[in-house]
Amino acid sequence: QSALTQPPSASGSPGQSVTISCTGTSSDVGGYNYVSWYQQHPGKAPKLMIYEVSKRPSGVPDRFSGSKSGNTASLTVSGLQAEDEADYYCSSYAGSPLYVFGTGTKVTVL
Amino acid sequence: QVQLQESGPGLVKPSQTLSLTCTVSGGSISSGSYYWSWIRQPAGKGLEWIGRIYTSGSTNYNPSLKSRVTISVDTSKNQFSLKLSSVTAADTAVYYCARDSSGWDHDYWGQGTLVTVSS
Repeated sequence: QSALTQPPSASGSPGQSVTISCTGTSSDVGGYNYVSWYQQHPGKAPKLMIYEVSKRPSGVPDRFSGSKSGNTASLTVSGLQAEDEADYYCSSYAGSPLYVFGTGTKVTVL
Repeated sequence: QVQLQESGPGLVKPSQTLSLTCTVSGGSISSGSYYWSWIRQPAGKGLEWIGRIYTSGSTNYNPSLKSRVTISVDTSKNQFSLKLSSVTAADTAVYYCARDSSGWDHDYWGQGTLVTVSS
């Protein structure tokens, strides 16, 4: 089972929006509505930002939104803020192994 | 608020067994229908799911590591543990423990612990 494919980097100015893609296969992203997104600041643990494709845990700003079309999931960060600069990883249920993660995207706030 | 904390040696010799423990606080490890996972991240690289355990002792492992991995739980201590045998330099990584929400995501994570495999 290969890692899900994400662009290495994405950027935007404060207040703008940035969208990160996460491409898998019909055996993972495309087969289940169990895609989650994690934010990771340098030296810190990942933090759950989106689960089940588009749901936000309590406390996560509504600037973060998720969607899916076919084998590709997307995370959009609207109204970019300096604190959003971080690495972002997608993850999907995949059967075997249970979970696969994405390759990661570094988001830079210009 | 659930908190997780990894502990264990930061340096392991090649061919030996890596052993880590995750202590859960802020709630019983047995409460709710949660699994408890281990996930690792080599420096500058992405995340890799290692495996998980339910408090009944039921486990699931990543097939790529299954022959070398054992995850166990001690509910009396509110802990779960990871053993990875026959380690090589490729096993050098930050190891995280995390709660599997059973919604197919990980909602609480430990801070991570760096394990280096070197002689």
